[in-house]
Amino acid sequence: ETGVTQSPTHLIKTRGQQVTLRCSSQSGHNTVSWYQQALGQGPQFIFQYYREEENGRGNFPPRFSGLQFPNYSSELNVNALELDDSALYLCASSARDRGYNEQFFGPGTRLTVL
Amino acid sequence: RKEVEQDPGPFNVPEGATVAFNCTYSNSASQSFFWYRQDCRKEPKLLMSVYSSGNEDGRFTAQLNRASQYISLLIRDSKLSDSATYLCVVPRDSGYALNFGKGTSLLVTP
Repeated sequence: ETGVTQSPTHLIKTRGQQVTLRCSSQSGHNTVSWYQQALGQGPQFIFQYYREEENGRGNFPPRFSGLQFPNYSSELNVNALELDDSALYLCASSARDRGYNEQFFGPGTRLTVL
Repeated sequence: RKEVEQDPGPFNVPEGATVAFNCTYSNSASQSFFWYRQDCRKEPKLLMSVYSSGNEDGRFTAQLNRASQYISLLIRDSKLSDSATYLCVVPRDSGYALNFGKGTSLLVTP
């Protein structure tokens, strides 16, 4: 069974730039959730995609957007980067149709905004 | 009240000790709960699920008190390898995404 993968592993950007992070879900999973984890904090829910549609969103501004593709992989896009966007971005996949909450996390992308 | 609250610690304990973490949650309708473990600079990994009053897995015991809306995690006979951050997790209202606490840091020393 292939696990959740994310790319890139690390990224450095400057304020105002745009970034795209990528996630491949675990085999057999149709739901992808994105989380932001700032240093010393727990992961915060950004949004979730199920069958290529956004299905729930946390308290993040519209400059955080995403996509899910037919193969269930996903992208997180962040526009107009701010210093506070520096964090570990985690992607988690799950099999929603099984009605089970367990989510499997990828290794994350560490974003630094200068 | 925050959705999920944990004592951040850190908890420093010697090998062999018993340590307990508590977590409170605000959504009284929640039916399932989780403890995730996160090693430094790694992704969270599921440690235990709690669907009724509690769950036990070897040295780890999770208990749920619905009336008081808190969950606990007990680790017996601590090992050096137990050193990590433990995250208390409650599903969001939608049921398909998760609310995390800030995590409780544990350091087990020789």
